[in-house]
Amino acid sequence: TQLLEQSPQFLSIQEGENLTVYCNSSSVFSSLQWYRQEPGEGPVLLVTVVTGGEVKKLKRLTFQFGDARKDSSLHITAAQPGDTGLYLCAGGVNGSSNTGKLIFGQGTTLQVKP
Amino acid sequence: DVKVTQSSRYLVKRTGEKVFLECVQDMDHENMFWYRQDPGLGLRLIYFSYDVKMKEKGDIPEGYSVSREKKERFSLILESASTNQTSMYLCASSFRGFLAYEQYFGPGTRLTVT
Repeated sequence: TQLLEQSPQFLSIQEGENLTVYCNSSSVFSSLQWYRQEPGEGPVLLVTVVTGGEVKKLKRLTFQFGDARKDSSLHITAAQPGDTGLYLCAGGVNGSSNTGKLIFGQGTTLQVKP
Repeated sequence: DVKVTQSSRYLVKRTGEKVFLECVQDMDHENMFWYRQDPGLGLRLIYFSYDVKMKEKGDIPEGYSVSREKKERFSLILESASTNQTSMYLCASSFRGFLAYEQYFGPGTRLTVT
């Protein structure tokens, strides 16, 4: 069974600080997605990483896929209150590239205080 | 922009009632998914469908059924609602093939069963 462990589960920081969220597994994933969910809304896709070692940047957010494609990280530089939300990593279940079945981590709740 | 809509944002039902949750997407996506989201457990897949009239069980299908009569519409049915089905229900959709893992979510239905 493929599992994704996210850490930390909760993070409360001041505006301007940097932070990193981790997503780890003992399984290899063909791709990994990061989503952000705001209260009362559904998750919104931020990025997909596919290649081992891949790094993608989205403004102040940097996403990295591990070389072995078993882990990923999300780094936020100079966090702002607008970054507050639930961050979810998700990996494609092996053998389901057509149906798109995903495994989700438990999520990291981020609070950025002004 | 992809739009996934869900029939209700909030729903309160009594134990034993039959409950219908409906999801509609406007992007001609082949795949559609139903998840439930509970604190600390992340998103768990209930059922998914990769084509009209086709469905597959996810990780927690017990107590639920689904229907997909049209490509754009995917319904989740709680045959006899129970209090342990109180949760946030999220619908998602995606293309088949290479982009299958990139899912687009609706805003969610918060269901309370009393």
